[in-house]
Amino acid sequence: AQSVTQLDSHVSVSEGTPVLLRCNYSSSYSPSLFWYVQHPNKGLQLLLKYTSAATLVKGINGFEAEFKKSETSFHLTKPSAHMSDAAEYFCVVRGYNQGGKLIFGQGTELSVKP
Amino acid sequence: SQTIHQWPATLVQPVGSPLSLECTVEGTSNPNLYWYRQAAGRGLQLLFYSVGIGQISSEVPQNLSASRPQDRQFILSSKKLLLSDSGFYLCAWTRTLSPLHFGNGTRLTVT
Repeated sequence: AQSVTQLDSHVSVSEGTPVLLRCNYSSSYSPSLFWYVQHPNKGLQLLLKYTSAATLVKGINGFEAEFKKSETSFHLTKPSAHMSDAAEYFCVVRGYNQGGKLIFGQGTELSVKP
Repeated sequence: SQTIHQWPATLVQPVGSPLSLECTVEGTSNPNLYWYRQAAGRGLQLLFYSVGIGQISSEVPQNLSASRPQDRQFILSSKKLLLSDSGFYLCAWTRTLSPLHFGNGTRLTVT
């Protein structure tokens, strides 16, 4: 069965400093992995996706993630945080049954200090 | 392009009252449709998914039900709301191997 674990429930950074949001996955197959962002009282927006092509995936708003099979990780990074990056971030793996449902991590709340 | 509409955006309902949340998708056919709930401070919980008209799978036993009367319409219902039904409800759609696309959500408060 597939699963994801987001290692930090809350991350706080200063504006202009790097962002690292950690995600480990478990999958019996080559996984499809996603990162979503959710701003308060809004739906979720896709940041980026990995589907077995390049291991370094670039997304919107300057975010990127690296798929590391040996570490079963898919950490999300950004070189320089902006105030508008403050939001909840979800790491997601696609299941291989039940309509290809997506399995969500518990989320990481990112705070950005001025 | 595809769009997903979800309404209402906010809803306050008394305990014991019925519920109907609606979601429609435009610009695609035969999507997989999903209802998620997000309780305060918690991750997303998949409630229902549907791979076709009239085909509903429930992930968690609960006070809610779902229906898909048309290809691109997905409805979440309850006959009698409980306090524990409060939360943020999100509708989403996908096609095979594509990412999930979410609506803007409905904030439900049961009083």
